[in-house]
Amino acid sequence: GESVGLHLPTLSVQEGDNSIINCAYSNSASDYFIWYKQESGKGPQFIIDIRSNMDKRQGQRVTVLLNKTVKHLSLQIAATQPGDSAVYFCAENGDTGNQFYFGTGTSLTVIP
Amino acid sequence: GAVVSQHPSWVICKSGTSVKIECRSLDFQATTMFWYRQFPKQSLMLMATSNEGSKATYEQGVEKDKFLINHASLTLSTLTVTSAHPEDSSFYICSASGRDFYEQYFGPGTRLTVT
Repeated sequence: GESVGLHLPTLSVQEGDNSIINCAYSNSASDYFIWYKQESGKGPQFIIDIRSNMDKRQGQRVTVLLNKTVKHLSLQIAATQPGDSAVYFCAENGDTGNQFYFGTGTSLTVIP
Repeated sequence: GAVVSQHPSWVICKSGTSVKIECRSLDFQATTMFWYRQFPKQSLMLMATSNEGSKATYEQGVEKDKFLINHASLTLSTLTVTSAHPEDSSFYICSASGRDFYEQYFGPGTRLTVT
């Protein structure tokens, strides 16, 4: 579905700290989820994905947690760096398989 | 690999004119391409899904006669905004998927400003 709202939630963290970005998804039929990073004026960049048969997946400095009971995703970024400053979106595939619907997004600012 | 380009990267047009945006998969064949629209400080909204050689499937609330999508080849999809109005000003982003059903590769986006 469509995401509405005029203001992105924001998160500010100190460089070197860990960041946790949360996302509530809407469709219990979704079985695949992706986290994207979007820098200003650019297209989304894939970070990490997770299927519904998993509750945790780790990548390089990132971990995604999935709680299907409450339809919640989180993205954890370890040792956050200034280059991590961006808007982060979760996306779910709903009923359709390969069509993805994006969440509201969170703007992450890393303070040097 | 898996590079998607868009052209133009930005465009300014007058109200009432039409604008065509191209989305190309440069190093893979895209069986499916997706078009999104993004207003400032908002999320990406899926507009339509296009499969090569068939008509696009539009999301609810998206006018198919206003946003014409053509996916004539496995490497090219176009979005034409017809009779553009200032409220169509937005960031239009395409993505393409190839052999992996779930994997989408995003283009860099096209900034459309209608005056």
